[in-house]
Amino acid sequence: AQSVAQPEDQVNVAEGNPLTVKCTYSVSGNPYLFWYVQYPNRGLQFLLKYITGDNLVKGSYGFEAEFNKSQTSFHLKKPSALVSDSALYFCAVRAGYKLSFGAGTTVTVRA
Amino acid sequence: EAGVAQSPRYKIIEKRQSVAFWCNPISGHATLYWYQQILGQGPKLLIQFQNNGVVDDSQLPKDRFSAERLKGVDSTLKIQPAKLEDSAVYLCASRILSGAYNEQFFGPGTRLTVL
Repeated sequence: AQSVAQPEDQVNVAEGNPLTVKCTYSVSGNPYLFWYVQYPNRGLQFLLKYITGDNLVKGSYGFEAEFNKSQTSFHLKKPSALVSDSALYFCAVRAGYKLSFGAGTTVTVRA
Repeated sequence: EAGVAQSPRYKIIEKRQSVAFWCNPISGHATLYWYQQILGQGPKLLIQFQNNGVVDDSQLPKDRFSAERLKGVDSTLKIQPAKLEDSAVYLCASRILSGAYNEQFFGPGTRLTVL
């Protein structure tokens, strides 16, 4: 069975500083990895995905993620965080037809 | 392109009452999912439909939860009777069938409070 761990419940950064949200996964076979963001009282919005190819994946709103097979990680990054990036971020792994989510990381960007 | 629609957005009921949620997926999306998101947790899959057939309902508490997608388009999720622990956000998502690893698109969710 596949699983995802997001080791940090909360990440706090100052606006303009780099932002990293960590994710590690466990899956048999090739990993298909996703990041979603959830704003208050909204559904999840897709940010980016890794299926195959380059280990650095670029997504929406300036976010990118680095796939590291040896460390089984898929960390989300943004070079310069904005206050509007404050939200709940979910990492997910897909095996077969099933998508399994981590518990989420709350990101707070202070002005 | 219109997104995934869900209603109602909020619902408050007493325990042992019944409740139903409605979802209309993105047009042309054959696959539809219902998730339960308890506060502080990631979404948990309850049931997955492909067209009007059930692909996976292994996590659906079938003694009280039911779901249908009769015409392969919109779907309803019902809880009867509700328990306190059913308080959660119920998310509907859809995905186009072609392209095995295309992302899912989520609706805004229905926040259920059971008193």
